[in-house]
Amino acid sequence: DSGVTQTPKHLITATGQRVTLRCSPRSGDLSVYWYQQSLDQGLQFLIQYYNGEERAKGNILERFSAQQFPDLHSELNLSSLELGDSALYFCASSADWTEDNYGYTFGSGTRLTVV
Amino acid sequence: AQSVTQLDSHVSVSEGTPVLLRCNYSSSYSPSLFWYVQHPNKGLQLLLKYTSAATLVKGINGFEAEFKKSETSFHLTKPSAHMSDAAEYFCVVSDRGQAGTALIFGKGTTLSVSS
Repeated sequence: DSGVTQTPKHLITATGQRVTLRCSPRSGDLSVYWYQQSLDQGLQFLIQYYNGEERAKGNILERFSAQQFPDLHSELNLSSLELGDSALYFCASSADWTEDNYGYTFGSGTRLTVV
Repeated sequence: AQSVTQLDSHVSVSEGTPVLLRCNYSSSYSPSLFWYVQHPNKGLQLLLKYTSAATLVKGINGFEAEFKKSETSFHLTKPSAHMSDAAEYFCVVSDRGQAGTALIFGKGTTLSVSS
């Protein structure tokens, strides 16, 4: 157990729907990062939050949004889902706005299947 | 912009023989570099990281990597492969902005170990 908790582990939904993925960072970590892993694109950075504020943005679609709450957990919202959004979504955390002594600690991911 | 290139998409070795997974990086400043491993249906685990201290970095499970600035390389090695080393390996560079950080992943190298 890495200390980063992602729920749910698996999610199957239909095209056009909206889902929310949840991430609880390792205790004491202030930064949360979201990554998408798909067969064709590999692992891609989506977005970073640090202590409730957006700090860095990657290749995140406009249909996707995220936020970090006062208790530091984060949610990634995916809307108007398309078949191509099927992927493994990882959350990672770190103590500060960049890597700490543990690098970045990853959760075990949420596998999203859009049918 | 930072980037990494993993030179081999697939490497096959026999158990007990050396492992070499190659990675070249591109960075406009002194980078932070990482190797992560992903076992089937598992999350990402940090093997080792380089953050401008010793150029030879020792990680977990007998892996090590050498940072060579002149060659812009950060190859991962292990003297003797074990069956449990079979997994996907990612070379990663930290793209550190003014306020946030994104991890840039290579495409990955699949390591197969035969008995």
